[in-house]
Amino acid sequence: AQKVTQAQTEISVVEKEDVTLDCVYETRDTTYYLFWYKQPPSGELVFLIRRNSFDEQNEISGRYSWNFQKSTSSFNFTITASQVVDSAVYFCALSAVEYGNKLVFGAGTILRVKS
Amino acid sequence: DTGVSQNPRHKITKRGQNVTFRCDPISEHNRLYWYRQTLGQGPEFLTYFQNEAQLEKSRLLSDRFSAERPKGSFSTLEIQRTEQGDSAMYLCASSLPTWGTEAFFGQGTRLTVV
Repeated sequence: AQKVTQAQTEISVVEKEDVTLDCVYETRDTTYYLFWYKQPPSGELVFLIRRNSFDEQNEISGRYSWNFQKSTSSFNFTITASQVVDSAVYFCALSAVEYGNKLVFGAGTILRVKS
Repeated sequence: DTGVSQNPRHKITKRGQNVTFRCDPISEHNRLYWYRQTLGQGPEFLTYFQNEAQLEKSRLLSDRFSAERPKGSFSTLEIQRTEQGDSAMYLCASSLPTWGTEAFFGQGTRLTVV
């Protein structure tokens, strides 16, 4: 069974549009961490945000915002006013005791922002 | 500190040959991880070290794969008798030992087995 599901394989938007990337996770643990990483064409995974299971406050960082809802096991990521430089593959990941505390990644969402 | 460094960036090898990759983590990070990423997929965990101790290995890590971190600093991942199915991006990451802390990734080594 997939532990982290990113149902959107690829999304294309025009610059300045807002875009939301979905992430649904599965764990039996009550304490866990969720992450978002960005993978540009250079290949290096860049850390964006970490959230623990006890903190459901939404977070905003510049054009990025994250919506964590335990009731629906979702941790969605929104980019406001997208830019061409946002084009990348975005991964959601889960770290939970039942999975040995290592990162379990979703399959990723390819985001293409066109000018 | 320039982050996690991996060498080589690309490796092409013939089936049946052995290959070795190196990872230099961020200097103050005790934990070092190896992941494998195939096209269109997220990274999959292979193994991790805390200092020089290898604490966990995935079932994905067949007996042809071996990893070491001899002095708790850099790590090597060796694949013996490579197969075409080993073609992938091999990613190294490091972190502090606290659970839930973010891991920092290198740029990866892309292996192509021909």
